[in-house]
Amino acid sequence: DTEVTQTPKHLVMGMTNKKSLKCEQHMGHRAMYWYKQKAKKPPELMFVYSYEKLSINESVPSRFSPECPNSSLLNLHLHALQPEDSALYLCASSPISTSGGDTQYFGPGTRLTVL
Amino acid sequence: GESVGLHLPTLSVQEGDNSIINCAYSNSASDYFIWYKQESGKGPQFIIDIRSNMDKRQGQRVTVLLNKTVKHLSLQIAATQPGDSAVYFCAEIYSGTYKYIFGTGTRLKVLA
Repeated sequence: DTEVTQTPKHLVMGMTNKKSLKCEQHMGHRAMYWYKQKAKKPPELMFVYSYEKLSINESVPSRFSPECPNSSLLNLHLHALQPEDSALYLCASSPISTSGGDTQYFGPGTRLTVL
Repeated sequence: GESVGLHLPTLSVQEGDNSIINCAYSNSASDYFIWYKQESGKGPQFIIDIRSNMDKRQGQRVTVLLNKTVKHLSLQIAATQPGDSAVYFCAEIYSGTYKYIFGTGTRLKVLA
């Protein structure tokens, strides 16, 4: 299994809603990532978990709350979002290579629209 | 030909021709480089990678060239097909970190 899965595929939410994005991988990877991608732009890193611990938070607003329940799952909890948070949210995973250079594999993304 | 718009450079290529997509990377300490293909509405898909101790690597119909002297990376696609139409991103990373630095991306349009 070389796949990263994400649910839901599409999400529309109001500014007062609470929702969660989910990501799963069964490749035994020990690093997992959340990215935000706006149209015609490269992915922007939000969070990195390594060995189920948060290792990087790229100064993301607290209305985004990541969670890594186990080595296969990664969640992103959303609360009180703004319309400018509308974007494609991508999850990725990587094996944490000991030989240098870690290949990240991406999921299909969740298209989020905040009304 | 190649055009640079406000946001995303576009390369238009005739079907069957070879494509060359270029990327200037930023960190001379980066030692691992990857090319991703992203089709509309999908996540980035791994195409090919190269480590800094190499200057060329070949895959199926794709070749990556690395010039560390000028910090330049290129992706060559042989016999370009309509299915190659997508946005292509290069990414660089320094081993031991988790943070990729992505290029701005190039849209490849294959003309029939």
